[in-house]
Amino acid sequence: NAGVTQTPKFRILKIGQSMTLQCAQDMNHNYMYWYRQDPGMGLKLIYYSVGAGITDKGEVPNGYNVSRSTTEDFPLRLELAAPSQTSVYFCASSRVGQGIGEQYFGPGTRLTVT
Amino acid sequence: LAKTTQPISMDSYEGQEVNITCSHNNIATNDYITWYQQFPSQGPRFIIQGYKTKVTNEVASLFIPADRKSSTLSLPRVSLSDTAVYYCLVGASNDYKLSFGAGTTVTVRA
Repeated sequence: NAGVTQTPKFRILKIGQSMTLQCAQDMNHNYMYWYRQDPGMGLKLIYYSVGAGITDKGEVPNGYNVSRSTTEDFPLRLELAAPSQTSVYFCASSRVGQGIGEQYFGPGTRLTVT
Repeated sequence: LAKTTQPISMDSYEGQEVNITCSHNNIATNDYITWYQQFPSQGPRFIIQGYKTKVTNEVASLFIPADRKSSTLSLPRVSLSDTAVYYCLVGASNDYKLSFGAGTTVTVRA
C-alpha cells in the first residue's frame, strides 16, 4: 500500500493565483483531513471529511475549499492565494474518527505564496 | 474538546528515559489519549494510544492515572533518532475537529 500520497511536494504561487493540492489514500478510510503547519507551530485542521460527499470545516477554513467525490481522493483548493497561506500542508486519513483513530499522514506539500 | 498542555521542550542524553507529561484537566468520559511523533519535514506518526492505566508497545509506554487528568509518555533508552516533536491529542470517536497543539520538542544529545 502507498498509504497517503500528496502532490505536489513543493509549490510557489504568486498572490492571487489558485491551485489544488492533491491527496489520495489507498486504505479505504472513510475519514480524511487537511491540516496546515506554520513554522514552529502545531497542526491546525482546515477541513475534514467523514465519507464521500460529506465535508465540513475545521479550525481554519477561510481561503480554502474541499470536495470528496470518492473515498480515495480529497483535494484542497486554494482560491486567490495570500502570503498568509504560506505553510506546509498535510493530508491525513483514518479508519475511524480523529479521537480514537490512528491517523496516517502524507509527506506534506510545502507552499510559498509571494 | 479537551485542551491539552505540554512542556515546550525537553533535553535528554542517549540511553536515558524521557517522560513527557500532558495535562488534560477537562477530559471527557469517552475521550482517548493519543501521542504522535513528528520529525522535521515529515507528517506526524502515531506512537501510542490509551484510555486508562498503562499501555505499552514496542516503542513507548503511556501512563494514565485514575483521574485521567494527565498522561505521561515514556520513551525508554532514547537515541539521537528520537529527537522529534511529540504531540498529545485527546478526543473521542466522534471528534472530527481536533487540531494539534505546539507539542513538545525533545532533543537527544550524544
